[in-house]
Amino acid sequence: DAGVIQSPRHEVTEMGQEVTLRCKPISGHNSLFWYRQTMMRGLELLIYFNNNVPIDDSGMPEDRFSAKMPNASFSTLKIQPSEPRDSAVYFCASRAGNTIYFGEGSWLTVV
Amino acid sequence: RKEVEQDPGPFNVPEGATVAFNCTYSNSASQSFFWYRQDCRKEPKLLMSVYSSGNEDGRFTAQLNRASQYISLLIRDSKLSDSATYLCVVDLNAGNMLTFGGGTRLMVKP
Repeated sequence: DAGVIQSPRHEVTEMGQEVTLRCKPISGHNSLFWYRQTMMRGLELLIYFNNNVPIDDSGMPEDRFSAKMPNASFSTLKIQPSEPRDSAVYFCASRAGNTIYFGEGSWLTVV
Repeated sequence: RKEVEQDPGPFNVPEGATVAFNCTYSNSASQSFFWYRQDCRKEPKLLMSVYSSGNEDGRFTAQLNRASQYISLLIRDSKLSDSATYLCVVDLNAGNMLTFGGGTRLMVKP
């Protein structure tokens, strides 16, 4: 079974550039989550969708961050413009019952 | 106070030792509890759920103490391969919002 698929796996970009992270959840899972992980703050929930609808985006740091889920098999997290403090691992996850399954993460470095 | 709190460690233990981690949570109405494991530079993966009566999976035992609002994870006969970060996860609002603790790092040494 394919797990949660994220791309890109690694990205290095310059401050001010737009970053788009992509996620394909596990087929049949109707909840999708975007998390950010840093050494200082641990795992933080940014936003989650239920049946493609954003339910809670209170974790999105600021207006530079946006997320969409146009259909059940695809979601994007966009940062525009990016800043060095956005450097982190961004995990997408989907949920079946009580278990969350994570993708391998997108490692973002903003220089 | 953090909603889900863990001692970050690291816990350095020799192979074969027994080690235990605790995790406290803020909302007494929380219903679901889990332990996830995260290896270095990898994604978190479910280790085990935590049931009210406590549960065991091989060398791992999870317990819930609702009165004191904490969950625990006990690892017996620790192996080198147990070295990882263990994340406590709580469904604080009985909904879809699983909140992760900061993790406890375990290092098992020969």
